[in-house]
Amino acid sequence: SQQGEEDPQALSIQEGENATMNCSYKTSINNLQWYRQNSGRGLVHLILIRSNEREKHSGRLRVTLDTSKKSSSLLITASRAADTASYFCASSTGTASKLTFGTGTRLQVTL
Amino acid sequence: DVKVTQSSRYLVKRTGEKVFLECVQDMDHENMFWYRQDPGLGLRLIYFSYDVKMKEKGDIPEGYSVSREKKERFSLILESASTNQTSMYLCASSLPPGSGKETQYFGPGTRLLVL
Repeated sequence: SQQGEEDPQALSIQEGENATMNCSYKTSINNLQWYRQNSGRGLVHLILIRSNEREKHSGRLRVTLDTSKKSSSLLITASRAADTASYFCASSTGTASKLTFGTGTRLQVTL
Repeated sequence: DVKVTQSSRYLVKRTGEKVFLECVQDMDHENMFWYRQDPGLGLRLIYFSYDVKMKEKGDIPEGYSVSREKKERFSLILESASTNQTSMYLCASSLPPGSGKETQYFGPGTRLLVL
């Protein structure tokens, strides 16, 4: 079963605006990861945040994690048309390297 | 750069056929995974392997089997393809937990159509 739920399912913004995507999960995690998928392609890892971290930055990406609410958010600042893609959160639990993926947010950035 | 390759980008098969999907990674990763991706359902784990000849069921293993005879290669087998197995299949690999690098690296995907 899918542990992650993402919100919104789809998001349309203009270039230069910020995009925020949210992810909720159900059980305790080791880390939470965000991936990006361009249409019809494989997923590319963006950023990983561990359960003892609250915020992490990478370039124009900012991820927050609230373990008390079992939620995470991904902020993309100053969005570009090239950011158009689907974004997935994935939670890592247990001792294996398995990830449980959310259903994704489809981001459209228009000029 | 890590490279994960999948044998086909597009595949058309008939109901009842045996289907092999191959995945190869070139970074000596211990872990390998097979997912299927369907609209509105995200990625669902079919099987994974954490070592040669080792395999574990994921969330939806029914109708599938896997083989890992060599560390770099992980095969997904559809014993008797059915129309409800029409999907996008994604392979991934990663280092084991504790390595500090648990991210998964994905192949480009195989879009399978079963008629």
